Amino acid sequence: NAGVTQTPKFRVLKTGQSMTLLCAQDMNHEYMYWYRQDPGMGLRLIHYSVGEGTTAKGEVPDGYNVSRLKKQNFLLGLESAAPSQTSVYFCATRTAGAGELFFGEGSRLTVL
Amino acid sequence: AQTVTQSQPEMSVQEAETVTLSCTYDTSESNYYLFWYKQPPSRQMILVIRQEAYKQQNATENRFSVNFQKAAKSFSLKISDSQLGDTAMYFCAFYPGTYKYIFGTGTRLKVLA
Repeated sequence: NAGVTQTPKFRVLKTGQSMTLLCAQDMNHEYMYWYRQDPGMGLRLIHYSVGEGTTAKGEVPDGYNVSRLKKQNFLLGLESAAPSQTSVYFCATRTAGAGELFFGEGSRLTVL
Repeated sequence: AQTVTQSQPEMSVQEAETVTLSCTYDTSESNYYLFWYKQPPSRQMILVIRQEAYKQQNATENRFSVNFQKAAKSFSLKISDSQLGDTAMYFCAFYPGTYKYIFGTGTRLKVLA
């Protein structure tokens, strides 16, 4: 039982390059989230989805796009990477109701 | 705006001792949920304990317990009999029921042998 899987785990990009982070879950959860973690700033919400085909902006959405074409997958895209997007990215999921978040292992992205 | 504040960026405790991590939050909601997550050096986020605001009884999970003071909007985590494996970053999180979870900035705890 994999739970929440993020790929890739590590990536180095040059400024202006694009990439996509994939979050896949096998728990049949409705809600999915993308957070970024930066030193001294905790976890900040980038985008989230309350179901297949729906997405919404979080606290820090600029420079990112997302898609939820299938219930089990939530993609986070960077169209033109910037050094300010160097961070650790976490995907999280949960069931309906005020349940706990289940996290992936995180993806460390470095933009040079 | 709803916020979560963890005022202790770093703490240390001797093995087998007790330590308390503080968390305060700001909300006008009456029903909500609070969580403590642990992030060890492996980076994985692990749920430690959760508390529903409508429950007066403080949650406990083995060596972990909380002191939930609703009126004071305080949610501290007590770790008893600290172990080396408790060394981690601890995040307090607040869920007001609007899809979004709000996290504090974290407290880095080091357990000393």
